[in-house]
This record gives sequence, C-alpha cells and structure tokens, in this order.
Amino acid sequence: KAGVTQTPRYLIKTRGQQVTLSCSPISGHRSVSWYQQTPGQGLQFLFEYFSETQRNKGNFPGRFSGRQFSNSRSEMNVSTLELGDSALYLCASSFTEETQYFGPGTRLLVL
Amino acid sequence: GENVEQHPSTLSVQEGDSAVIKCTYSDSASNYFPWYKQELGKRPQLIIDIRSNVGEKKDQRIAVTLNKTAKHFSLHITETQPEDSAVYFCAAMTKEYGNKLVFGAGTILRVKS
Repeated sequence: KAGVTQTPRYLIKTRGQQVTLSCSPISGHRSVSWYQQTPGQGLQFLFEYFSETQRNKGNFPGRFSGRQFSNSRSEMNVSTLELGDSALYLCASSFTEETQYFGPGTRLLVL
Repeated sequence: GENVEQHPSTLSVQEGDSAVIKCTYSDSASNYFPWYKQELGKRPQLIIDIRSNVGEKKDQRIAVTLNKTAKHFSLHITETQPEDSAVYFCAAMTKEYGNKLVFGAGTILRVKS
C-alpha cells in the first residue's frame, strides 16, 4: 500500500496570510491526526478526524482548523499566519484506534 | 491531561553497546505506548509499540518494557549500530475521545563507531 502523503512539502508564506495543507491517508485508514513539530515544543497534537468528524482537539488557537472528506483525505488550514507558526506539520493515519503512520510532513516557513 | 517526560535528552554510546531511553506518563488511563524513530529530515517511523496489558515486547535488537504501576516505560536497543543514530520519541495514547498521542520531548541518540 502507498504510505501517507502530504502536499505541499514546502511552503513559504508571510505573516497575515492563510495556508491550507493536505493529507492523503493510507488506503482504508479512516482516522487522520495532525501534529505540529517545532524544535522548542516538540511534537504537539492539533486534532484528529474520523469519518469526517473531529473527534479530538489539542490546545491550539482557533486559527488552526481542519476537515476531512468522504474519501478520508484531510486538510488543515491556518489563518492569519504568525511567525511562530513556522513548523513541520505532520499528519498520521490509522486503521485501528492506535497505530499511527506518519506522512513526510509539510515544512511551513512564515516570514 | 496526559504529560509524558522522556530522559535522557541526548545519549551517546559506542557501537555495539546498549542504549536505554526512559519515559514516564501521568494519565493512568493511557493504554497504548508507541516509540518512533526520526532521522534528520524524515518522518517519524514507528519502531515498536506496547499495550497496557503487556509488560514487555521484543523485536530483534529492540525491546520495550512497561511498568503500569510506576507509570513508566523504556526502550532498549542492544548491539547498537551507526544507523541507529536518530531522534527517538516515546508517546502515550489517551483515548478519552478518539486517538491522541502525547509525545515525549525526544532523545538524540548518537552511536559512535
């Protein structure tokens, strides 16, 4: 099976702009989770979607949002970008309620 | 909420030696504990995981132990090789509502040849 894919792989934006990142899970996986990875804060949970419903949300401001489509593909959106949003954004998909497989990530740089 | 602490933050070992990384968690309801290896510029890769109904699990040179009473779990790598050099993350899953992995801060493992 093909692994988790994420697009784009790299993004450069300026403060105040918004960005949309995409994640395609492994075929058959219905759960998609998003994480933010930074050198200072490590890996932090953003949210999880299952069957188009958000099941869990981390401690991030409302500027961070997401959605999941009927084919399990997921997008996350960050509005009004801040310098501190520069990070590697990882999505992970799972078939069971446990084992998660990560995509390669989208590296976002906010200038 | 869940909190996971990981030690040490960096670990240097000689090739062939063993490496041990330890994690503690706070939420006694957590019941799934994976370990990920992340090489520079790459995605985290699941290397081993353990569930709370198991005390130990082994896969070739890698083993994980879990002590539910003390709320800690450890990763053991034997006969380390230079390709084991990477950042290792432990995590705990709290299943209050869906899947949510809480990660430790990571351990940079350097294997010197």
